[in-house]
Amino acid sequence: RKEVEQDPGPFNVPEGATVAFNCTYSNSASQSFFWYRQDCRKEPKLLMSVYSSGNEDGRFTAQLNRASQYISLLIRDSKLSDSATYLCVVNGGPGNTPLVFGKGTRLSVIA
Amino acid sequence: SAVISQKPSRDICQRGTSLTIQCQVDSQVTMMFWYRQQPGQSLTLIATANQGSEATYESGFVIDKFPISRPNLTFSTLTVSNMSPEDSSIYLCSVVKGTGTTDTQYFGPGTRLTVL
Repeated sequence: RKEVEQDPGPFNVPEGATVAFNCTYSNSASQSFFWYRQDCRKEPKLLMSVYSSGNEDGRFTAQLNRASQYISLLIRDSKLSDSATYLCVVNGGPGNTPLVFGKGTRLSVIA
Repeated sequence: SAVISQKPSRDICQRGTSLTIQCQVDSQVTMMFWYRQQPGQSLTLIATANQGSEATYESGFVIDKFPISRPNLTFSTLTVSNMSPEDSSIYLCSVVKGTGTTDTQYFGPGTRLTVL
């Protein structure tokens, strides 16, 4: 079983739509969770950290379910500029363990 | 935050040759990593570059193929040795900065390598 699994997409949605991405992870010892965004031919950049209580940053909402080892990202009112690949990322365990990346979910927002 | 630069940004190489990629960070960092991202794939950790000691390699990666240097806390190199077309990939340098509870991992712009 892959450590971090995501639906690869692509998700093609119209501007203004709400879209949700899901991710599952296999390592129950993981303690830090993130969503990164990667634009075409660019490096990944941190979009947001994911906290147990759930967190929101503008149009983006992240949720974590530790019992189910499940992470989600919700994007409301999609913009053309949201088009990118969204990477689900977890760390390998306590302390400074390397991050493990999902393959990413590709989003295309269409005018 | 951290500003990371990599050189070269891209290269096309012949099989059997070696390429050294440089990574420079704008501030001192303890944790420095090298990743590979093959087309359509996720990022795969190659190794952790340790300052003052040998790099720590992940399963499937060995020092003879990917020698790493880390002479100080702001610089590292990754060499891709005896290259084959299967080594064609984007190689990314990455660092962790933060206070422990709010660490953030930053990535360099990547080096796009094509091996003919």
